[in-house]
Amino acid sequence: QVQLVESGGDLVKPGGSLRLSCAASGFSFSDSYMSWIRQTPGKGLEWVSYISSSGDTIYYADSVKGRFTISRDNAENSLYLQMNSLRADDTAVYYCAQAGGPAAEIDYWGQGTLVTVSS
Amino acid sequence: SYVLTQPPSVSVAPGMTATITCGGNNIARKGVHWYQQKPGQAPILVIYYDADRPSGIPERFSGSNSDNTATLTISRVEAGDEADYYCQVWDSTSAHVVFGGGTKLTVL
Repeated sequence: QVQLVESGGDLVKPGGSLRLSCAASGFSFSDSYMSWIRQTPGKGLEWVSYISSSGDTIYYADSVKGRFTISRDNAENSLYLQMNSLRADDTAVYYCAQAGGPAAEIDYWGQGTLVTVSS
Repeated sequence: SYVLTQPPSVSVAPGMTATITCGGNNIARKGVHWYQQKPGQAPILVIYYDADRPSGIPERFSGSNSDNTATLTISRVEAGDEADYYCQVWDSTSAHVVFGGGTKLTVL
């Protein structure tokens, strides 16, 4: 059974930092492309970042480029998102998601972790 | 950057057919994926690569993609189909995953 379990969401002040984690199980993590996708409460989905199976290809949405860093540990079946210089508009539920490739469909989603940026 | 346009809402009576569109420039050249999201839940995949259906998704869900519009069609709509639906593509020019704004399907 595929499981993606996010953690690390919290209330943080503007300008602060936070690190999200995603623990994966039930599939071949090291063969999977992984993404972070966020959703502002009551709004639509916004792709944040993507990392290839080996970690050598990484892409970011323009809204987070230079502030967020995606990484993975295939030995630990874990995905991470380091978020720096957080802003109020980064407030969202952050989902960890698995896909077969950059153009492929997202097969599995975690349940999400809430990040709130507020003073 | 590439933009996907969806109608904010679609309403349909039970048993009828719901059609949700996703507009994008030459979208027919891209593979379109569709997700269903119910309140408080993570999205689930309902159609991938324009028209393929994952296992477990009813045959009532179908998709098509032509010219500048991709379409998700739900036949014989049931109350349980009420949800938000999102289309998604990969824009190779910008190397970005792109989502449409979402369509709220209301079953009357």
